[in-house]
Amino acid sequence: EIVLTQSPGTLSLSPGERATLSCRASQSVSSSSLAWYQQKPGQAPRLLIYGASSRATGIPDRFTGSGSGTDFTLTISRLQPEDFAMYYCQQHGTSRYTFGQGTKVEIK
Amino acid sequence: QVQLVQSGAEVKKPGASVKVSCKTSGYTFTSYDITWVRQAPGQGLEWMGWMNPNSANTAYAQKFQGRVTMTRDTSVNTAYMELSSLRSEDTAVYYCARFIAEAGKLDYWGQGTLVTVSS
Repeated sequence: EIVLTQSPGTLSLSPGERATLSCRASQSVSSSSLAWYQQKPGQAPRLLIYGASSRATGIPDRFTGSGSGTDFTLTISRLQPEDFAMYYCQQHGTSRYTFGQGTKVEIK
Repeated sequence: QVQLVQSGAEVKKPGASVKVSCKTSGYTFTSYDITWVRQAPGQGLEWMGWMNPNSANTAYAQKFQGRVTMTRDTSVNTAYMELSSLRSEDTAVYYCARFIAEAGKLDYWGQGTLVTVSS
C-alpha cells in the first residue's frame, strides 16, 4: 500500500499569505493519479486538483498543484478567508487508493 | 445535475451490520466507479474501496476485507456499502463519491451518512 505523508500538520497563516502544502508518497505515483481535496467542517470533501496539476471545475486559479514521482505540492497563492480548511492528497496509482492524513490551514 | 444522495444516520449495536445507500442521478450510473470513504470523528479521510457499477467488480482496502461488501442496483441507480461486525471504532461519517478513473478524480460526493456504533 502506498502511504501518503502530508506536511505540515497545521499551517497558521494570515489572509493574503501564500500557503505551501506538501504530500510525499512512500513510492513513486503517476502524476495522473494524484489529487487534492478541500474539506470544511461538517461538509463533504471537495475536489480541487486532479492529475497533480489540473484544477477542477470552478476552482480559482490561486490554487496550483505541482510535483511528480514521490513529491507533490499544493500552493494557495493568496489565502482568502474561505480557504481556511483541511486539505488532503489522495493517490489511486494502484487498485487500492489512499489518502494523506491532511493539513489544516488555520487563521493566524 | 449530478447528485449522490445517501441514506440517513444509523445507530447500531456492536456486532451488528449496517447498509448505507447512495442514490445517484444526473449521469449514467454504470459509466463511473463509486468509491466509499469514511471519516471518524475528528480524524482524516479513509478510503474503504470501490465498485464498478457496470461489472460489479470491487476492490477493498485490506483493513476492511471480509467485513465490507459493496453492491449496486442498476434499476434504481443506487450503490450500497454494507459493513458487518461493527465495533465502536466504526463510528464515522461514511461518504460515497463518483470516481472518474480516466481523470483520476472523485468529482461528486454524497452528503455523508453518520453511523454510530454504541451499546
